[in-house]
Amino acid sequence: GEEVAQTPKHLVRGEGQKAKLYCAPIKGHSYVFWYQQVLKNEFKFLISFQNENVFDETGMPKERFSAKCLPNSPCSLEIQATKLEDSAVYFCASSQRTGPEQFFGPGTRLTVL
Amino acid sequence: AQTVTQSQPEMSVQEAETVTLSCTYDTSESDYYLFWYKQPPSRQMILVIRQEAYKQQNATENRFSVNFQKAAKSFSLKISDSQLGDAAMYFCAYSGQNFVFGPGTRLSVLP
Repeated sequence: GEEVAQTPKHLVRGEGQKAKLYCAPIKGHSYVFWYQQVLKNEFKFLISFQNENVFDETGMPKERFSAKCLPNSPCSLEIQATKLEDSAVYFCASSQRTGPEQFFGPGTRLTVL
Repeated sequence: AQTVTQSQPEMSVQEAETVTLSCTYDTSESDYYLFWYKQPPSRQMILVIRQEAYKQQNATENRFSVNFQKAAKSFSLKISDSQLGDAAMYFCAYSGQNFVFGPGTRLSVLP
């Protein structure tokens, strides 16, 4: 598609439950990025992919967070055993290559109760 | 590692006036891009303007222009003839080997 698509728009989970978020990058874009934006508005980089390979995962809290980009499927970000502090808007972005601008999806708002 | 600093957490401007948002960055790379993104209350990230580091000419997009000072590692955004719809969070971003956001500046436009 011509826009980055993210589903769902909103997700509510009880503490300890699993959350899974999806992202379809713009067709032809090789790079996918995940960011977490908490209420303070600062963006935290989580992970990036080059096609289906992890490119940079320095921002991932490895204990509970995992992500995949498989061929012919939307990319996914999964949080096992969610905690209250995971409440945030999670943005996916894609780009043709590193360097030029990233195009952002509308975000998924995760609320952990 | 690269860092991006926006020293103004909040700014306000009168409608139709001009405002400048500051951004400085730190990098040892010579080839990179700089961006300003706008995030209105809807949370959608909108690219406002981009600058390639190798270009000396400052980028402009209608009412938006930048002052890119490569030696000083400064990349400020000027918004002319401010409109109510310009009210938003503005993020400065660096893209080289890594993509790094600044902490953002909240811009209010006063009628």
